[in-house]
Amino acid sequence: SQKIEQNSEALNIQEGKTATLTCNYTNYSPAYLQWYRQDPGRGPVFLLLIRENEKEKRKERLKVTFDTTLKQSLFHITASQPADSATYLCALGGRGTSGTYKYIFGTGTRLKVLA
Amino acid sequence: GAVVSQHPSRVICKSGTSVKIECRSLDFQATTMFWYRQFPKQSLMLMATSNEGSKATYEQGVEKDKFLINHASLTLSTLTVTSAHPEDSSFYICSARDVTSGRYEQFFGPGTRLTVL
Repeated sequence: SQKIEQNSEALNIQEGKTATLTCNYTNYSPAYLQWYRQDPGRGPVFLLLIRENEKEKRKERLKVTFDTTLKQSLFHITASQPADSATYLCALGGRGTSGTYKYIFGTGTRLKVLA
Repeated sequence: GAVVSQHPSRVICKSGTSVKIECRSLDFQATTMFWYRQFPKQSLMLMATSNEGSKATYEQGVEKDKFLINHASLTLSTLTVTSAHPEDSSFYICSARDVTSGRYEQFFGPGTRLTVL
């Protein structure tokens, strides 16, 4: 069955360092992959989308890589700040059996940036 | 950016009652809307996908007669939890996507916390 794995343990890093989060998947060939930020009790907020034919995408302090051979995506936050503390979700997107686009989410990794 | 709202943000009801949750796209036309459920410390689980003007497509294991979805316009979808029971207590989140834009991003609402007593 399709499976997405993100580090279930919380990631603690010092302010100013680069945070790297991992998303691995199996039994799936996504057309694209997305990263979201979710704060407690809130809906996810879209951050970045990367397509299957793209290797890397950047947006300000964020960088996403996508390796379809390894079936892995890495999400980097450079110069991290305490305000970056949140849970980060990866989601795979592609056509489901019904023909419509759908998304499968990982369980998320909780990031805590220490001042 | 695209904004999606949900109402109510929090609802507490008695077992056996029905609860309606609204999801609105405020500044774009949402040709497709998704409804998710999220239990504490767990991933978002897709419940159903709805396209404007057509019946929703439910995921395996989701009872369509219990979770009624109506996507009557390009800016509004509703989820009705019928005859709610305590096990239906969860965080319900909708998202919307503008298929006609050619973009694949989905934008989420703030979520609705349902507690069934």
